[in-house]
Parts: sequence; structure tokens; C-alpha cells
Amino acid sequence: SQQGEEDPQALSIQEGENATMNCSYKTSINNLQWYRQNSGRGLVHLILIRSNEREKHSGRLRVTLDTSKKSSSLLITASRAADTASYFCATDAGGAQKLVFGQGTRLTINP
Amino acid sequence: ETGVTQSPTHLIKTRGQQVTLRCSSQSGHNTVSWYQQALGQGPQFIFQYYREEENGRGNFPPRFSGLQFPNYSSELNVNALELDDSALYLCASSSPEDEQYFGPGTRLTVT
Repeated sequence: SQQGEEDPQALSIQEGENATMNCSYKTSINNLQWYRQNSGRGLVHLILIRSNEREKHSGRLRVTLDTSKKSSSLLITASRAADTASYFCATDAGGAQKLVFGQGTRLTINP
Repeated sequence: ETGVTQSPTHLIKTRGQQVTLRCSSQSGHNTVSWYQQALGQGPQFIFQYYREEENGRGNFPPRFSGLQFPNYSSELNVNALELDDSALYLCASSSPEDEQYFGPGTRLTVT
């Protein structure tokens, strides 16, 4: 069964806008990772944030983690058509490096 | 490109048959994990191998088995295939910093 829940399940925005996706989880974690997946292909690692971190940036990506609320968010700024993909959060709730994924958010960027 | 490769890319098998999927880890990674991703779902952890030993298993029956070789490449074997085994099978190798790097996946269709 999936541990995490992503919200929303689907998001459609115009190119140039910001996209925010949220992830909630149920148990204590050491880290949380965000991945991107294009059209049912392999997962691309985006960011890992540890439980003692609150915010992390990588290019146009910003990830926050609130361990008290057991939630994380992924913000993509100035979205591009190439950002169209499914985005998944994954925690190590299953044990070290045994990832537990949410159902994903399907993001569509309209040109 | 993550450096993780999988073969074959696509596979069609008949119910009851057996299948072997292969994964080559990224250089320097001694841990490999396998995941099953059904259509429209997030990946689910099958099992993990560390230095040729199974190091944790998800909620999958014994007909799912694996091997890891001295060069850290890995195989996933599935016996007595069922229709519900149709999915994208992903392997991931882990960096010492806990990040997991995924291969492109093998799409298995069971008819």
C-alpha cells in the first residue's frame, strides 16, 4: 500500500506559472525525495530533503518539509512545457533506501 | 542519464510463464532495489539487495525472487506469471548519500 498521498492528483497550468504539489505521509522519516516521471518511463531524482532540513532549492525547484505536519511541498517556478510529467514523493518509511511512494501528481503545462 | 540500465525494454509473456529482468547498477553503488509500478500508480518496493544478500522485502509473494552478482548487477525473476504482474518494473541503485537512481524500466505485459 502507498504511504504518501499527493495533492492534487492532477494539475494543469499555463507555461510561466508556478506549480505547487503537496505530499503527506504517515510515519516518521529520515528523508523524503521527489522524483519526476515522463510518460511511464524511469524516475528522475529531483531533490532529497532530510528530516532536519526545512527547505531546499535546486534551480527552479523548491522543496519544503514540515515533519510536525508530516507533509512536504514541491514548487516549480516559471514552469515550462518540458516540466509536463508525473511527480512523486517518496519517503524512507520502509527502511533505509526502501522507498515508499505516493500516487503522484500529474502535471500538465499548457503552452 | 543515471548510469542504471535495464533489459529488456519491453516484454510480453503468457500467464504461467517465468520471466527474468536485468539491471546494471551505477558505478560505485552496491545496493540495488526493485520496484513494481502498475499503471497510474506509484512504484511499490519489491526487495533490495546489498552486497549480494537480500536486505529487505516488500509485500510480494515468494514467486518474486532476485539475485545480485559480484559486480552489483541484479536480476528479478518472477515465476508463474499472473495477469496482475503486468507493470513497469524499475530497478534503482543507491548512492552513499541515500539518493536512489532509477533505470528506465522494463514494461512487462502478461497475456
